[in-house]
Amino acid sequence: GENVEQHPSTLSVQEGDSAVIKCTYSDSASNYFPWYKQELGKRPQLIIDIRSNVGEKKDQRIAVTLNKTAKHFSLHITETQPEDSAVYFCAASSTGTASKLTFGTGTRLQVTL
Amino acid sequence: DTGVSQDPRHKITKRGQNVTFRCDPISEHNRLYWYRQTLGQGPEFLTYFQNEAQLEKSRLLSDRFSAERPKGSFSTLEIQRTEQGDSAMYLCASSRLGSQGDGYTFGSGTRLTVV
Repeated sequence: GENVEQHPSTLSVQEGDSAVIKCTYSDSASNYFPWYKQELGKRPQLIIDIRSNVGEKKDQRIAVTLNKTAKHFSLHITETQPEDSAVYFCAASSTGTASKLTFGTGTRLQVTL
Repeated sequence: DTGVSQDPRHKITKRGQNVTFRCDPISEHNRLYWYRQTLGQGPEFLTYFQNEAQLEKSRLLSDRFSAERPKGSFSTLEIQRTEQGDSAMYLCASSRLGSQGDGYTFGSGTRLTVV
């Protein structure tokens, strides 16, 4: 089955700096890669996703890049703000598994003033 | 409320007791998923339904766990003879057929504590 690894487990940046979180996956059949933000005690919420026919996608301060050859994808947050502080999860799925998502172990992002 | 609803939000039970959780998905979503999340980990897939049919179960889902979606609407997850290792957040999510994760909406979860 799919295995998703995520690094780093914790990340502390100053407000205004950029943050990068990286994930690798094992199943070459995976073709959908979402990122979720989870604040303490709340539900995971989708913040951005990318499909395998695209190399990069951007939404305001958030971007995701995908390297299918190397089987890794990354989340980039620019101009970080205190409200970006949360746990971020990457995930992967393939059409053969009916949208079942395999999640990484999460990155706790702390944006300091 | 048009989101995914889960009940109860919190459940404390004694080891060996049975517990049942309920999930009400977004009404137009025909896929429903159960995930389990332990502290410091990402959600782990347990099972999923397409309408009323349970189409996939993880090996994490031991025979003490059973899930149903009798009319293709709400779903229940029952854990029999609970163990301390069952303590976790149980998350439900729903999506539309063919969306491949699009509109994959999670509920707020049921936090189970087995004492």
